[in-house]
Amino acid sequence: DGGITQSPKYLFRKEGQNVTLSCEQNLNHDAMYWYRQDPGQGLRLIYYSQIVNDFQKGDIAEGYSVSREKKESFPLTVTSAQKNPTAFYLCASSSSGQVEDTQYFGPGTRLTVL
Amino acid sequence: ILNVEQSPQSLHVQEGDSTNFTCSFPSSNFYALHWYRWETAKSPEALFVMTLNGDEKKKGRISATLNTKEGYSYLYIKGSQPEDSATYLCALDTGRRALTFGSGTRLQVQP
Repeated sequence: DGGITQSPKYLFRKEGQNVTLSCEQNLNHDAMYWYRQDPGQGLRLIYYSQIVNDFQKGDIAEGYSVSREKKESFPLTVTSAQKNPTAFYLCASSSSGQVEDTQYFGPGTRLTVL
Repeated sequence: ILNVEQSPQSLHVQEGDSTNFTCSFPSSNFYALHWYRWETAKSPEALFVMTLNGDEKKKGRISATLNTKEGYSYLYIKGSQPEDSATYLCALDTGRRALTFGSGTRLQVQP
């Protein structure tokens, strides 16, 4: 069953702790993306990767880090430098990252920092 | 940061009504416009990708048009059904091969 998995669905962390959100896809897609959603706002791009071992900052990269060591995996670390980490995080992938490629989304992780 | 505007923010219609939403964007550096539907408790799913001025796409009762010169796209739903209730997102690619999303239009269809 092909798709994108994100785990966990809900995550709670104490302020000042780093936390890593998992994103795995078995669609054999080259490109992967991380978005953040806050209430009343659209999806905002954090980081994206068009190919293994390469990634680019999105519009709100400060306080986040990523790695792309494997084609199927694109973990996002929310560091203690991120001032407002509580949000809903969505991972997506697309076949080749071309402008006309559809993005496929995972189910999301809701992060709450206490 | 690129500004992609969607209107209205929310919409309540009766079953059977036809409705439309607008997505506005800067017309310069246009490469592609995407429409997604996001139902509650589900993942966003793609509706259309449009790349050419004058593009029209249709999927069942849902259709979309694109005007890149004036920087807008319309999404139409004919004969709305309760299962059309969702947030409809548009997103722009300016060539960086990543999307900038609008804040969405939330549609509620009352039976």
